[in-house]
Amino acid sequence: GAGVSQSPSNKVTEKGKDVELRCDPISGHTALYWYRQSLGQGLEFLIYFQGNSAPDKSGLPSDRFSAERTGGSVSTLTIQRTQQEDSAVYLCASSPRGRGVDYEQYFGPGTRLTVT
Amino acid sequence: AQTVTQSQPEMSVQEAETVTLSCTYDTSESNYYLFWYKQPPSRQMILVIRQEAYKQQNATENRFSVNFQKAAKSFSLKISDSQLGDTAMYFCAFHPYTGANSKLTFGKGITLSVRP
Repeated sequence: GAGVSQSPSNKVTEKGKDVELRCDPISGHTALYWYRQSLGQGLEFLIYFQGNSAPDKSGLPSDRFSAERTGGSVSTLTIQRTQQEDSAVYLCASSPRGRGVDYEQYFGPGTRLTVT
Repeated sequence: AQTVTQSQPEMSVQEAETVTLSCTYDTSESNYYLFWYKQPPSRQMILVIRQEAYKQQNATENRFSVNFQKAAKSFSLKISDSQLGDTAMYFCAFHPYTGANSKLTFGKGITLSVRP
């Protein structure tokens, strides 16, 4: 079946502008995660959605970052007033339930954000 | 909180030879999962292998195997008969077995180059 998809693949924006990044998880997956990967670094957790529970926002670096997940499926990560340090690859992942072996996360191809 | 350490930033191996990538972690949890993910230049994160902490037997997946030492909190990945397509970044990751903290903690990754 289809994997996790993300759009756009690449985004170049000017400092101070807002951007929206989209993630379409695998159908039926109830858990959805956003990560940020800066150049040469590992993955930094941003936010986690599980079903209808309140999201775990503990990884969001500032109040300029927000995310929502509509209908338990598609998710949008919004970065307001972008800064150059926001430049990174933003990865989305989904998993079936977040329990047992379903902790395995399936990743999308990422969105490369460049803030000029 | 968990930490995952990959102390080797880069490694190189000749095609067809064997290479071992190191990973250590720190946790107070007794049950957890450990993963190795591969990220080729295409950016797509792919699960390579998974180990459940309560299982003493080391996981194997074709040319990939792990050496899991629970007491030492060590989880190394061995790649046998290295192939050019194994060139990628490799990330070690930790996931608690249960609880609200349902997110992967990644190491910083290691860049593996397979030489022809």
